[in-house]
Amino acid sequence: GAGVSQSPRYKVAKRGQDVALRCDPISGHVSLFWYQQALGQGPEFLTYFQNEAQLDKSGLPSDRFFAERPEGSVSTLKIQRTQQEDSAVYLCASSRGQSYNEQFFGPGTRLTVL
Amino acid sequence: GQNIDQPTEMTATEGAIVQINCTYQTSGFNGLFWYQQHAGEAPTFLSYNVLDGLEEKGRFSSFLSRSKGYSYLLLKELQMKDSASYLCAVRDRGNSGYALNFGKGTSLLVTP
Repeated sequence: GAGVSQSPRYKVAKRGQDVALRCDPISGHVSLFWYQQALGQGPEFLTYFQNEAQLDKSGLPSDRFFAERPEGSVSTLKIQRTQQEDSAVYLCASSRGQSYNEQFFGPGTRLTVL
Repeated sequence: GQNIDQPTEMTATEGAIVQINCTYQTSGFNGLFWYQQHAGEAPTFLSYNVLDGLEEKGRFSSFLSRSKGYSYLLLKELQMKDSASYLCAVRDRGNSGYALNFGKGTSLLVTP
């Protein structure tokens, strides 16, 4: 596709459920980022991949959050035992590589935990 | 980490000029970015500064002073469609060196 796509666009989960959020980056983009954006706030960094390697996961808020990119393209962010404070928009971004500055963002997945 | 401060809200008139300021504190500055985000949509890239000075791109310009930890985004000839949130983001050499640290955003309302 022409841009970064994410699915689902909206997800409602009951507290305690596990969720999986998918990101399809722009074809050929080496770098992939996940951000969490709470209402009225700027995005906050969660984790970064270069190809299939997860080089930085310092922003993941707890061990309930797990991300993978096994073949260096599609990435999945998994949240186990969801809690209400996990409610946010989860944004995925990709870029061509380390020497490229522009990150292209997907439309996000809005997660609501009841 | 960084402390990134920008005004929460601004209002300006169609056709006018508006300047959105951003101040930051970082130990390993590696670039400053401005993004535009319309409600419910993805952030879109506007500008990138890594050296001091002004970068101009059409109606949008961005300025950086590294010694002052200061940047601004200048929007000229405002249009109604410019109503959006404007996000200032700093990249730091710490951690992976590639993630962006965003401010909370400035919500700009353009009025007729």
